Amino acid sequence: QQQVKQSPQSLIVQKGGISIINCAYENTAFDYFPWYQQFPGKGPALLIAIRPDVSEKKEGRFTISFNKSAKQFSLHIMDSQPGDSATYFCAASKGGSYIPTFGRGTSLIVHP
Amino acid sequence: EADIYQTPRYLVIGTGKKITLECSQTMGHDKMYWYQQDPGMELHLIHYSYGVNSTEKGDLSSESTVSRIRTEHFPLTLESARPSHTSQYLCASNPAGGYEQYFGPGTRLTVT
Repeated sequence: QQQVKQSPQSLIVQKGGISIINCAYENTAFDYFPWYQQFPGKGPALLIAIRPDVSEKKEGRFTISFNKSAKQFSLHIMDSQPGDSATYFCAASKGGSYIPTFGRGTSLIVHP
Repeated sequence: EADIYQTPRYLVIGTGKKITLECSQTMGHDKMYWYQQDPGMELHLIHYSYGVNSTEKGDLSSESTVSRIRTEHFPLTLESARPSHTSQYLCASNPAGGYEQYFGPGTRLTVT
């Protein structure tokens, strides 16, 4: 049973466009929702994270939107750049367990 | 950039060989993890450790074993490599009380 469902599996956008990746979770005990970015040949690295007490968090061009009632959260990349081309993973963790449940990943390609 | 190291980065080995993938971190993190990453991106937890002399199996059944004799070192061993073990192996850690995972660069293993 997949506890964190991520979509789409792949995404192609033009430079300057908005990239949107969505995740849905089932376990209401989750209380930490990070997004990781992975470039080819590298391990994932934390990009941005949110806790359920806020509905949105913005860091530069990256924004997490969080909808607690719908149990969904999404990553928005504004003004997408070719350098943003990478695989993005959403994840969720719950208090007392430091093991995240990862989504299956989204491969983002930004065309110049 | 996180101080977590994996060696070797690439390994091609024949069936039946014993191999050890090394993972070390210099951050003093108690918690360490091994993930297997599919070519299609998904991350599968295969082992984790919450401290010295503590090891647990993850969600994905694996024929590998791990040890945690020192805080900074978390090697993964395959006693008899098989072509089905061909994959990328990622090591990660996170600090006490922290949810963010720090990943190493990965070891890409090919078993012929």
